[in-house]
Amino acid sequence: AQSVAQPEDQVNVAEGNPLTVKCTYSVSGNPYLFWYVQYPNRGLQFLLKYITGDNLVKGSYGFEAEFNKSQTSFHLKKPSALVSDSALYFCAVRDRDAGNMLTFGGGTRLMVKP
Amino acid sequence: GAVVSQHPSWVICKSGTSVKIECRSLDFQATTMFWYRQFPKQSLMLMATSNEGSKATYEQGVEKDKFLINHASLTLSTLTVTSAHPEDSSFYICSAREGQTLYGYTFGSGTRLTVV
Repeated sequence: AQSVAQPEDQVNVAEGNPLTVKCTYSVSGNPYLFWYVQYPNRGLQFLLKYITGDNLVKGSYGFEAEFNKSQTSFHLKKPSALVSDSALYFCAVRDRDAGNMLTFGGGTRLMVKP
Repeated sequence: GAVVSQHPSWVICKSGTSVKIECRSLDFQATTMFWYRQFPKQSLMLMATSNEGSKATYEQGVEKDKFLINHASLTLSTLTVTSAHPEDSSFYICSAREGQTLYGYTFGSGTRLTVV
């Protein structure tokens, strides 16, 4: 079985400050890891993914995430937050060796205040 | 890039009626499509996985007869909520995976269903 935990329901950060949205995962095999962003009443927009290779993944809109196998984490980061980054963020995992289903974390609401 | 069109964006229907939601991959062939349900301020819950030309695989607890999924072509999957009730009100999102891609998932924009 595979699972994802996003321990924070909400993250508050001031504009211009760095942000981190946490994600830990559990899979039997090796993971594919994803971050998506959702704006109100919209579908999910892809931000970035880790498949293999460099543990630091750079994605859309200045976001990046670091795959840490020993800690089974894939935290999302951005050096300088924008008010427009305020949205709902989902981490997702897929076990490479077990089907093609994505499992999502519970989501973290990011609030960036001016 | 890959685009998935989901229609309608929102729909209001009366209890007892059926509603069909369409999910189309516009510029790629989607051998596999996924249907999710999302309650307010909650995560996405996978309802079913459909492969073109075969029956959908439903997750535990999802009523097959209530949520009919058809994936008749490589670019279209439909979800029909039959005999809808107010508790079926939710945000439904589809996702498509391109046949040749192991990890590329593209999401539709979602459908807000309200049953009155």
